Amino acid sequence: EVQLLESGGGLVQPGGSLRLSCAASGFTFDSYAMNWARQAPGKGLEWVSGISNSGGSTYYADSVKGRFTISRDNSKNTLYLQMTSLRVEDTAVYYCAKEGLEYWAQGTLVSVSS
Amino acid sequence: QAGLTQPPSVSKGLRQTATLTCTGNSNNVGNQGAAWLQQHQGHPPKLLSYRNNNRPSGISERFSASRSGNTASLTITGLQPEDEADYYCSAWDSSLGVWVFGGGTKLTVL
Repeated sequence: EVQLLESGGGLVQPGGSLRLSCAASGFTFDSYAMNWARQAPGKGLEWVSGISNSGGSTYYADSVKGRFTISRDNSKNTLYLQMTSLRVEDTAVYYCAKEGLEYWAQGTLVSVSS
Repeated sequence: QAGLTQPPSVSKGLRQTATLTCTGNSNNVGNQGAAWLQQHQGHPPKLLSYRNNNRPSGISERFSASRSGNTASLTITGLQPEDEADYYCSAWDSSLGVWVFGGGTKLTVL
């Protein structure tokens, strides 16, 4: 059974940093690309970032480019999202999702507020 | 990064058929096809269909997807109360190198 378990969300002040983790199990992690998406309160889904199976290629939405960094550790079956220079508008539930948006984690809330 | 276009809401009666639409361009929907996701309030999205009409295992045959040009459609037959949810389309944009989402359609089953 595919499982994606996120951690690292919380409350942070504007300009602060946070790192999200997504631990994967139930599939061959290093064979699949992975993604991060988010959903602001009461809003729709927004893709944030993606990474190839090897980690050699990364992709970002314009809204986070230069502030967020996606990475993965295939030896630990874990996906990461390092978020810096956080803004109020980054407040959202963040989801990690398997290649093709096939499976989604439960989501972790990131709140950016002073 | 412009998103895909979906109607904000659709309402249909119990046991009726609903067709949801999603319009993109030749770099996303018209190229790679669309994925459709269902999201109930307070839950993560669930993939219903990918690349137009490939259903993951466990997804009811009442859900079927298609594409015509740059517009994708999701048809839900025999509507049930549990089908009331938000539905999102998404597609990989080969020009931008990003996934793009539609704004979502809220389906109400009357």
